[in-house]
Amino acid sequence: NAGVTQTPKFQVLKTGQSMTLQCAQDMNHNSMYWYRQDPGMGLRLIYYSASEGTTDKGEVPNGYNVSRLNKREFSLRLESAAPSQTSVYFCASSEWGGYTFGSGTRLTVV
Amino acid sequence: RKEVEQDPGPFNVPEGATVAFNCTYSNSASQSFFWYRQDCRKEPKLLMSVYSSGNEDGRFTAQLNRASQYISLLIRDSKLSDSATYLCVVRRSGGSNYKLTFGKGTLLTVNP
Repeated sequence: NAGVTQTPKFQVLKTGQSMTLQCAQDMNHNSMYWYRQDPGMGLRLIYYSASEGTTDKGEVPNGYNVSRLNKREFSLRLESAAPSQTSVYFCASSEWGGYTFGSGTRLTVV
Repeated sequence: RKEVEQDPGPFNVPEGATVAFNCTYSNSASQSFFWYRQDCRKEPKLLMSVYSSGNEDGRFTAQLNRASQYISLLIRDSKLSDSATYLCVVRRSGGSNYKLTFGKGTLLTVNP
């Protein structure tokens, strides 16, 4: 009963490096989301995918791209990492409104 | 005005105390309401949905006042294990898109 699986759990990047955060869900949910969480800022939506084949910008999309590879997988890419992207990243999926979150990726950009 | 605002906290209470969390939302088109709980360094998890008539789950009671755009969560007989951050969450109407907006959360520490 995996739910939502995120990889990696921890990552340290140098400024300018690129990486992709992976997310997969096994609940057959249509909607998937990427959030970042920073101290004092709460959870902020980066991108979402209402269904397979569609993606839309959220509140803070700059510096990120996403791919909804299939119904199960939704990846988040940082093309050129910046220290401002140091954060905890959560992927989530939903079907009826309540979200199931992955355990998060702690990303540090130095 | 932020879309979802919560008591900033933190709250420190003794075991057995009753504690109340308050939340307001700014968009009257908001359709669904939830309370999530987030333990330190963990992901948020759904605690309970909030219905217009109010609802209860054991020691937890949630209330919604659409006219005032206000949501509350009451925890009775608090336990050490209730220590966490409580997030007020709102969903606007939007067809099949279940995009949620989160408050910043209120940290609760229950002390022995």
